[in-house]
Amino acid sequence: SQKIEQNSEALNIQEGKTATLTCNYTNYSPAYLQWYRQDPGRGPVFLLLIRENEKEKRKERLKVTFDTTLKQSLFHITASQPADSATYLCASVGTSYGKLTFGQGTILTVHP
Amino acid sequence: SQTIHQWPATLVQPVGSPLSLECTVEGTSNPNLYWYRQAAGRGLQLLFYSVGIGQISSEVPQNLSASRPQDRQFILSSKKLLLSDSGFYLCASGTGGLEDTQYFGPGTRLTVL
Repeated sequence: SQKIEQNSEALNIQEGKTATLTCNYTNYSPAYLQWYRQDPGRGPVFLLLIRENEKEKRKERLKVTFDTTLKQSLFHITASQPADSATYLCASVGTSYGKLTFGQGTILTVHP
Repeated sequence: SQTIHQWPATLVQPVGSPLSLECTVEGTSNPNLYWYRQAAGRGLQLLFYSVGIGQISSEVPQNLSASRPQDRQFILSSKKLLLSDSGFYLCASGTGGLEDTQYFGPGTRLTVL
C-alpha cells in the first residue's frame, strides 16, 4: 500500500540556522506533495504544494523540493526563528482525488 | 477563504456514552468534507469523507459514524464510546481536486474515561 513517511520525529536547531525536514514516499508516485504546519492543540495549516514536474518551490523563508528519483521531498526553513517551532506534516493525494495521506509529522524546535 | 468551525473544543465522556461532534464550514459551497483523528504524537488518520449531502465514505472500520445533513455541516457520532476513541478529532474542508489543499478546523480533544 502507499506510504508516506517523515524520517525524523523531532528536530532541534539553533535560531538562524536552516531546518531541513524529509518526507519519503513508497509504492506510488504522487503527482503533488503538500506541506502543513500544526501548532499544539490546533488544526494543520497549509503551507506549500509542489508538483512532480516542479523541482523546487519557494515562499518567503520556506523552500520545498521534490525528487521523483529519490521519492523524496525536502522542506527547508531558512533563517529559522523560535516562532517556527511546530509540527510539520507532509501529505500527498493518492489514488482518489482529495483524499490526502499524511506523514506522521516532524516536531521542529528552534532554540534561541 | 474558508473557515471551519468545530465544537466542542474539549470533551470528557465515560465509556459507553454517546458522542456527537459537529463541524460547519463557511466561505465555500459544495466542499468535500473530512473527519480525521490524531493520536498523540501521530499523524492524521482519515476516518470519513463526504463529497455531498448524504454521501459518506468510511475509511476505517470502527464504532464511529458520520452524517452530512446539510451542504456545509458534517457530524461525527458514536452510540457507545470506547477508551480507544480518545484522541484529537479534526474536521477539514477541500475542493477534492488533485491539487486540493485542505482547510482544517480547530479540533476537538476527546477523552474517554
